[in-house]
Amino acid sequence: DTGVSQDPRHKITKRGQNVTFRCDPISEHNRLYWYRQTLGQGPEFLTYFQNEAQLEKSRLLSDRFSAERPKGSFSTLEIQRTEQGDSAMYLCASRSQETQYFGPGTRLLVL
Amino acid sequence: EDQVTQSPEALRLQEGESSSLNCSYTVSGLRGLFWYRQDPGKGPEFLFTLYSAGEEKEKERLKATLTKKESFLHITAPKPEDSATYLCAAGADNAGNMLTFGGGTRLMVKP
Repeated sequence: DTGVSQDPRHKITKRGQNVTFRCDPISEHNRLYWYRQTLGQGPEFLTYFQNEAQLEKSRLLSDRFSAERPKGSFSTLEIQRTEQGDSAMYLCASRSQETQYFGPGTRLLVL
Repeated sequence: EDQVTQSPEALRLQEGESSSLNCSYTVSGLRGLFWYRQDPGKGPEFLFTLYSAGEEKEKERLKATLTKKESFLHITAPKPEDSATYLCAAGADNAGNMLTFGGGTRLMVKP
């Protein structure tokens, strides 16, 4: 399978803990995006990378969130001191021409 | 501010009963209008990209059309396996072309 992959698929954590998610884009895609989706809503943009450069960040991305793409391949999204409001599906997408292709998502539950 | 609105929020159809889903958008410099299908607990699956008013694309029982203010997803003779949430998104003319999503239409097709 050469699609976008994400790991883990599910994460349950206690409030205040740190969590890290990984995204592996489609290999030839140099643009990578992170979105967050809550139940019953459409995905909301968080941040965007072109190769290793983080070029855009949403106001939704508070100081507790950090994303990296160190070698322009896979990306990580870390949430520090998790809060219950962080519970959501975190989606990664990579882009070919104008179209973004999404991974299966990581569902986070903060207790 | 870029905005995408989908209607209806939910739609129940009998198998074989054709209908249309609406997506209204307000975007500065549309780079593309995208339709995705999302099954529960999964990431969005790409369906169509439309670039300019008057463009149409088809895939099996689905046909997407685009005007300067709206896009429609027409479903002809739907089957129960077409049941899913259909998401519309607009890509704007900015550096990253991040997508602005609507809230989705939850389609249920009964046999």
